[in-house]
Amino acid sequence: QQQVKQSPQSLIVQKGGISIINCAYENTAFDYFPWYQQFPGKGPALLIAIRPDVSEKKEGRFTISFNKSAKQFSLHIMDSQPGDSATYFCAAMEKAAGNKLTFGGGTRVLVKP
Amino acid sequence: DSGVTQTPKHLITATGQRVTLRCSPRSGDLSVYWYQQSLDQGLQFLIQYYNGEERAKGNILERFSAQQFPDLHSELNLSSLELGDSALYFCASSPRDRGNRYEQYFGPGTRLTVT
Repeated sequence: QQQVKQSPQSLIVQKGGISIINCAYENTAFDYFPWYQQFPGKGPALLIAIRPDVSEKKEGRFTISFNKSAKQFSLHIMDSQPGDSATYFCAAMEKAAGNKLTFGGGTRVLVKP
Repeated sequence: DSGVTQTPKHLITATGQRVTLRCSPRSGDLSVYWYQQSLDQGLQFLIQYYNGEERAKGNILERFSAQQFPDLHSELNLSSLELGDSALYFCASSPRDRGNRYEQYFGPGTRLTVT
């Protein structure tokens, strides 16, 4: 049972372009939605997170858009750089049920120079 | 560098054996989480400890167990190992302050290979 579905599985974007990764969830009790960035051989690194009472959050070149009614959220990477080439994971947490993160399947992003 | 340390970095062992993975959380963090990352199952939550007590359990096999010690480091014990247990095992910790306590910071992981 996949509670958080992530798409696409992989993405190629030109330097300076916009990378867009989408996630959909089923559990309406989820109330915390972080995104993680993982480079090969490293652990996931927290990138940005959003609560469901906020529709958008921006940190530098990274923006989360959240649509509560559609149970969807997305990550936009503006002005993508080769150094952004990594695997990105969306995740969701139901705070009242313990702080376990349920992860999406991941999106491998390649930024071409 | 997240501040979470894990040892060993790599572990190669045979089926049927038992191994122990070690994690030290960030300074001051009371919560420790264990996750398994494999190609077929993705990143999956195993178990959480808070200040020495088990707080939440995920899809952790009965052959696996964990504990958190008074100095807050944690160990994940994997026994009767099977080929399918080969994976990356990550530890994460989260801050104790109310504003950030849902943020989880991951260590570099232990790559377990069962042959």
